[in-house]
Amino acid sequence: GAGVSQSPRYKVAKRGQDVALRCDPISGHVSLFWYQQALGQGPEFLTYFQNEAQLDKSGLPSDRFFAERPEGSVSTLKIQRTQQEDSAVYLCASSLVVGSGEQETQYFGPGTRLLVL
Amino acid sequence: AQSVTQLGSHVSVSEGALVLLRCNYSSSVPPYLFWYVQYPNQGLQLLLKYTTGATLVKGINGFEAEFKKSETSFHLTKPSAHMSDAAEYFCAVSKYNFNKFYFGSGTKLNVKP
Repeated sequence: GAGVSQSPRYKVAKRGQDVALRCDPISGHVSLFWYQQALGQGPEFLTYFQNEAQLDKSGLPSDRFFAERPEGSVSTLKIQRTQQEDSAVYLCASSLVVGSGEQETQYFGPGTRLLVL
Repeated sequence: AQSVTQLGSHVSVSEGALVLLRCNYSSSVPPYLFWYVQYPNQGLQLLLKYTTGATLVKGINGFEAEFKKSETSFHLTKPSAHMSDAAEYFCAVSKYNFNKFYFGSGTKLNVKP
């Protein structure tokens, strides 16, 4: 079946612009995660949804970052007033069920590469 | 707090040689451990995972890893490297119901013909 998809794949923004990154999880997956991967680094957790509820946003680096999943499916990560340090690959992952007694595998999308000039 | 250390940001092996990628973790509770592989311009693909049970875990593409609690390690091995194994490999740790993964900084594997 279809995997996790993300759009756009590449985004160039001028410093100060707002951007919106979209994630389409695997159909039926309850949990959705956003990660930020800086160049040469491993992914770092940003935020987590279970259905439409945002249960953990402890990784969001500032109040310029905002994520939503209003209908419990597609999610959007929005970055306001982008800064050069926001340049990174933003990865979305989904999983079937969390808290079922075994940590469920997270399935990752291809990522959106954001470059802020 | 949890953290993951991957020793060696770059590893180079000859085709047919043993692959060994190192991962050590720190965790205040028994962890769940994962290895992911990332090919250029692609997302992360799960290689294998340890949650409970047998400490030697077999994954896809001939990879395996062993959870050693006493050494807090989860090293990834493959007996014989193939050119198609060239990619970046990430070790990750989570804990039951913690809902987030902590990743190491990655190891780029180069396979020489």
